[in-house]
Amino acid sequence: AQSVSQHNHHVILSEAASLELGCNYSYGGTVNLFWYVQYPGQHLQLLLKYFSGDPLVKGIKGFEAEFIKSKFSFNLRKPSVQWSDTAEYFCAVNPTGANNLFFGTGTRLTVIP
Amino acid sequence: DAGITQSPRHKVTETGTPVTLRCHQTENHRYMYWYRQDPGHGLRLIHYSYGVKDTDKGEVSDGYSVSRSKTEDFLLTLESATSSQTSVYFCAISESTGANVLTFGAGSRLTVL
Repeated sequence: AQSVSQHNHHVILSEAASLELGCNYSYGGTVNLFWYVQYPGQHLQLLLKYFSGDPLVKGIKGFEAEFIKSKFSFNLRKPSVQWSDTAEYFCAVNPTGANNLFFGTGTRLTVIP
Repeated sequence: DAGITQSPRHKVTETGTPVTLRCHQTENHRYMYWYRQDPGHGLRLIHYSYGVKDTDKGEVSDGYSVSRSKTEDFLLTLESATSSQTSVYFCAISESTGANVLTFGAGSRLTVL
């Protein structure tokens, strides 16, 4: 079955550590890719998106993601996390022509001060 | 919340009772979506609408119906609530499909006893 996989369910880091969250998808063809973030008690917000062009995408709050087509991956990175980055992060895929975003199961990030 | 209002925000109901959740937008976006969020499952699409009176099923539509009689309102109805429908329900809007950049509402937490 086609899917979006986030293998890290819960990541715990100390402040200033580097972050990389994995996202792999199994949809063929052209896709649009997204990372959404959900801070505690809040709704989902768009962190960054990739439609085409430069596979390295920069988003808000110092986050970036790299699209590697050959690996069907769109990993999220941040060189130095802050306590305020504590949240749940969702990868999402929109296959071209689909009227839906397919979400991964999410990765909970806890940053320890 | 970018012009999206969900009501009620919290509801506790009993098995077998009907429940209607309302999503109201002031953005005049064409596309509206209902997702449910459950631990370990991420977000899953229930139904979506691509215009007034135009709706379609998502991944987990069983037990749910929707209606959209006006551009600004998208109603989600549980005809006979079950405990498995205990969840947090998010409405989202999108100006256009394809790109599918979704803006989410604050969520409605439903508990079915």
